[in-house]
Amino acid sequence: AQKITQTQPGMFVQEKEAVTLDCTYDTSDPSYGLFWYKQPSSGEMIFLIYQGSYDQQNATEGRYSLNFQKARKSANLVISASQLGDSAMYFCAMRESQAAGNKLTFGGGTRVLVKP
Amino acid sequence: NAGVMQNPRHLVRRRGQEARLRCSPMKGHSHVYWYRQLPEEGLKFMVYLQKENIIDESGMPKERFSAEFPKEGPSILRIQQVVRGDSAAYFCASSPGTGGVADYGYTFGSGTRLTVV
Repeated sequence: AQKITQTQPGMFVQEKEAVTLDCTYDTSDPSYGLFWYKQPSSGEMIFLIYQGSYDQQNATEGRYSLNFQKARKSANLVISASQLGDSAMYFCAMRESQAAGNKLTFGGGTRVLVKP
Repeated sequence: NAGVMQNPRHLVRRRGQEARLRCSPMKGHSHVYWYRQLPEEGLKFMVYLQKENIIDESGMPKERFSAEFPKEGPSILRIQQVVRGDSAAYFCASSPGTGGVADYGYTFGSGTRLTVV
C-alpha cells in the first residue's frame, strides 16, 4: 500500500485564487510528521510547511496552510492568493518515528500551473 | 553558511561507465541521506549515512550502487556500469541529527541530474 498518496497529477489555478492540494497518508505509527515541499522547474526542493501528528492546530506559514484531518489521514495543502511564482510541482511527505533515521517518504506529486 | 552542496549539477555518462555523485552536507550536519527522483515521480529514499557508517540502505539497488561518507570529505554515491534506467535526479539531504519526526534542520541539496546515453 502507498504510504503517501497525491491523487491530483496536475491542476490549473487562476492567479490570486486559492488552491487545495490533496494528500492522504497511511501509517500505524502514532508519532509522525507531515511535510510539503515545492519543486520549481529549476529542480531544487523547497520546504514549505510541517505538521506533527500531535499538533492540536493546523500549521500555517504565510500563504501556506495545512488542513490536517487526522481521523481521515489527510494533510491537504492550501495555497491562498496564488501567484505566478507558485507554478511548480508540490510533494507531500511523511516521516515516521519508528522508521530508521530521518528518512522521508514522498507522494507522487501534483503539478500546479497558475494562470494570469 | 553554505547549504548542502551537490556536484556536479548535471552529469552525462555512456552506458557502462561509472557515475560518481558528491554531496557536502551543511556545516555541523553529520547525517546524510540520498534520494532518487525518476522523471515525473516523487523522491525515493536510497540510503542514510553517518560519518563512516551506513545506517540504512534499504532503498539502494542491490547491485552497482554504493555510497560512502568518509571521515573527511563529501559523501559519494557511486553507480557502476550505468544503464539508461539510472537516468534520474539524485538528491542529497543532510541533518544535524535525528531529532524526531520534525527535525527542522533537514535540508536538501539542489540535486545532480544524471543522464545515461
